[in-house]
Amino acid sequence: GNSVTQMEGPVTLSEEAFLTINCTYTATGYPSLFWYVQYPGEGLQLLLKATKADDKGSNKGFEATYRKETTSFHLEKGSVQVSDSAVYFCALRPPALAQGAQKLVFGQGTRLTINP
Amino acid sequence: KAGVTQTPRYLIKTRGQQVTLSCSPISGHRSVSWYQQTPGQGLQFLFEYFSETQRNKGNFPGRFSGRQFSNSRSEMNVSTLELGDSALYLCASSRSIGTLNTEAFFGQGTRLTVV
Repeated sequence: GNSVTQMEGPVTLSEEAFLTINCTYTATGYPSLFWYVQYPGEGLQLLLKATKADDKGSNKGFEATYRKETTSFHLEKGSVQVSDSAVYFCALRPPALAQGAQKLVFGQGTRLTINP
Repeated sequence: KAGVTQTPRYLIKTRGQQVTLSCSPISGHRSVSWYQQTPGQGLQFLFEYFSETQRNKGNFPGRFSGRQFSNSRSEMNVSTLELGDSALYLCASSRSIGTLNTEAFFGQGTRLTVV
């Protein structure tokens, strides 16, 4: 089946530190991969995505590269800010032809806290 | 343009009661999915509707049901509420089904508390 495994949290960093949140997946075929962010009391916001191997998604200084050989999609940011404090979810969508194409499979989430 | 709207934002119900949650997708979006978020189980897929038809279903008991109207608005219903149904219920809309690059846009969720 399809599954996503994320780095256990919580993660606490100082402002301007380098961030990596690990994400690996198990899926049949070539899924689309996503990172979503959830701020306190809010729903999920799409942070970035990649739809095929070696694609790099990027947004707001965050980046993640779709690595088929290691089935990974690690999230990175070079210099975090206090405003980046949130919960981050890695997710996959099975390939369009597979049953459940619009179903997202999420990792457990990683809570990130950035201290000034 | 307006985002995904979920109503109500907060709800408190008693065990054994039933509840209906509403989701209005982004204009032009025809697919609506529902997710349950709990601290223990994380985010779990409930079901997806497209053109008033349920296209995909997660592993939830029959007490959880949903429907979609001709204007793409969707409702989900939970009958015979249990304490374990307390959760944040999130709705997501997307433009279509089967399109590789379709993004899912989420609402702010409905926080259901069962007492």
